[in-house]
Amino acid sequence: DAGVIQSPRHEVTEMGQEVTLRCKPISGHDYLFWYRQTMMRGLELLIYFNNNVPIDDSGMPEDRFSAKMPNASFSTLKIQPSEPRDSAVYFCASSVGQGRSNQPQHFGDGTRLSIL
Amino acid sequence: AQKVTQAQTEISVVEKEDVTLDCVYETRDTTYYLFWYKQPPSGELVFLIRRNSFDEQNEISGRYSWNFQKSTSSFNFTITASQVVDSAVYFCALSESGDYKLSFGAGTTVTVRA
Repeated sequence: DAGVIQSPRHEVTEMGQEVTLRCKPISGHDYLFWYRQTMMRGLELLIYFNNNVPIDDSGMPEDRFSAKMPNASFSTLKIQPSEPRDSAVYFCASSVGQGRSNQPQHFGDGTRLSIL
Repeated sequence: AQKVTQAQTEISVVEKEDVTLDCVYETRDTTYYLFWYKQPPSGELVFLIRRNSFDEQNEISGRYSWNFQKSTSSFNFTITASQVVDSAVYFCALSESGDYKLSFGAGTTVTVRA
């Protein structure tokens, strides 16, 4: 079975450019999560969706960050304009809801983003 | 507020030694879930184990075992007879009932030397 698929794996761009990260969750999973990993702050949740609807975006750092989930099989995280401090590894994860049983989240391989 | 604390930053052992990773969590919920994830040098995050707050039974799965103690809010993880391939960063995480997001600890880097 295919796991969570993220693209691109690596992205290097200059400050001020728009960056779009993509994620395809595991088929049948109704929860999708975006995390950011940095040395300073560790793994932190940015936003998560349930059935394509954003549930909690309190972790989104600034208005420069936006995320969408137009359908059950695709989500994007966009940064516009990008800044050097956005450099990090961005992970997408998905899980099955099943009520309140908090099933494990399965992570993609991540996108390593470098803003010059 | 920090919900998950992994006090050990780094652990280095020789192959075949046992490794125990400490995790202390904080929550006011009576229903919650605890997880361990592994992040090898290649960077991906791999789910290892999940426990819910109602099940304090400690288990063994292959070379992995865990010790969940609600009285001390601890969820420790042990790798028995470590191997070089176990070298990774290990994260403990907490999810509270009704809130699906994971709060991760800072991680413990395990290095297993041949």
